[in-house]
Amino acid sequence: NAGVMQNPRHLVRRRGQEARLRCSPMKGHSHVYWYRQLPEEGLKFMVYLQKENIIDESGMPKERFSAEFPKEGPSILRIQQVVRGDSAAYFCASSAGTGEPQHFGDGTRLSIL
Amino acid sequence: RKEVEQDPGPFNVPEGATVAFNCTYSNSASQSFFWYRQDCRKEPKLLMSVYSSGNEDGRFTAQLNRASQYISLLIRDSKLSDSATYLCVVCLVTGGFKTIFGAGTRLFVKA
Repeated sequence: NAGVMQNPRHLVRRRGQEARLRCSPMKGHSHVYWYRQLPEEGLKFMVYLQKENIIDESGMPKERFSAEFPKEGPSILRIQQVVRGDSAAYFCASSAGTGEPQHFGDGTRLSIL
Repeated sequence: RKEVEQDPGPFNVPEGATVAFNCTYSNSASQSFFWYRQDCRKEPKLLMSVYSSGNEDGRFTAQLNRASQYISLLIRDSKLSDSATYLCVVCLVTGGFKTIFGAGTRLFVKA
């Protein structure tokens, strides 16, 4: 499958735990984007990364959230000490370059108990 | 004012109808423009890029007016399967690089 791969599809965590969301970009793509979508709302940009670099993290909450895209392996969105308000669908997208069309993964539905 | 604004709809149209969606953006530094569609509880899927010269893909036509900061999507001969939320997307460089999604316009095509 050459598309954007996200896992897990569904993730359940209790308040205070950590959530790790993974994203492998489409083959040939080195640009990765993370978005959050609440029910009945639009997508909100969180962060834009290239290999080993964060290009724009203006949409990331200042605390508890971090993202990385290491030289080897998938991009990781990490949420520490999760709270109920973190419950959302988190989508990852990848593109071949800046300003190029982005292709999305199936998303991870995060539920906080 | 929102950076990207769309009429939320919903648009309820019969099969075979022509429907047009509009989108306005506030930042003149915007560089790339796209239309996506999103089905309920699914990921957004790229519909088409939008160019100043206008572009067409089958029943879909997209246009960009940079002077008015306005993007449009026209769907001809609507099908039931066109029912979805249509998202206007703008990419701009402002110190960093941002991708901004509109809140989307809902379309319901009925038999």
